[in-house]
Amino acid sequence: GAVVSQHPSRVICKSGTSVKIECRSLDFQATTMFWYRQFPKQSLMLMATSNEGSKATYEQGVEKDKFLINHASLTLSTLTVTSAHPEDSSFYICSATPLAAVYNEQFFGPGTRLTVL
Amino acid sequence: GQQLNQSPQSMFIQEGEDVSMNCTSSSIFNTWLWYKQDPGEGPVLLIALYKAGELTSNGRLTAQFGITRKDSFLNISASIPSDVGIYFCAGPAGGTSYGKLTFGQGTILTVHP
Repeated sequence: GAVVSQHPSRVICKSGTSVKIECRSLDFQATTMFWYRQFPKQSLMLMATSNEGSKATYEQGVEKDKFLINHASLTLSTLTVTSAHPEDSSFYICSATPLAAVYNEQFFGPGTRLTVL
Repeated sequence: GQQLNQSPQSMFIQEGEDVSMNCTSSSIFNTWLWYKQDPGEGPVLLIALYKAGELTSNGRLTAQFGITRKDSFLNISASIPSDVGIYFCAGPAGGTSYGKLTFGQGTILTVHP
């Protein structure tokens, strides 16, 4: 149980285009989903917290107009990187906390490798 | 905010050796989580600890929740090549950070056959 999927697993795009990444909880409903960014051999950097039906909460320094988050249902959240530039190239990972969670466990997706040319 | 200090930052060991890594926090945690991240993948939850003093095993992995509630350690016994990856400790971010986790810097484990 507690499986989270992400799509696509990797994407290469041209500078200036927008890229959408989907995060789905496959076998549970999630109160909250989280979006992280990770650079090689570094820890996870939280970008935003997403709750179904409400606006996402962004961490300090993360541009909300650059990284658009939509949490359409209890099993789906999307991250859109708008007007992507090479510096946006990174590994993006989502996670989800089940409705039944008592201790804030987060279950992670497999990540999306974004390369902006 | 709460910070987690994880050590060591990296380890290079021979197959069959035991491994130990730990995490300390600047404040009290009510939960400790240990994750492993394989290269190019998302982190996978290994062990969750919910009570001070708790010792929990998952196969060759053993983790303990420190009595002071400010530390935790993870041991891996008889390491094998597939243990390679980055290990993260994590705990609730606290305060009004609803559901957020604070992560340690990670321990990069390399196992030589």
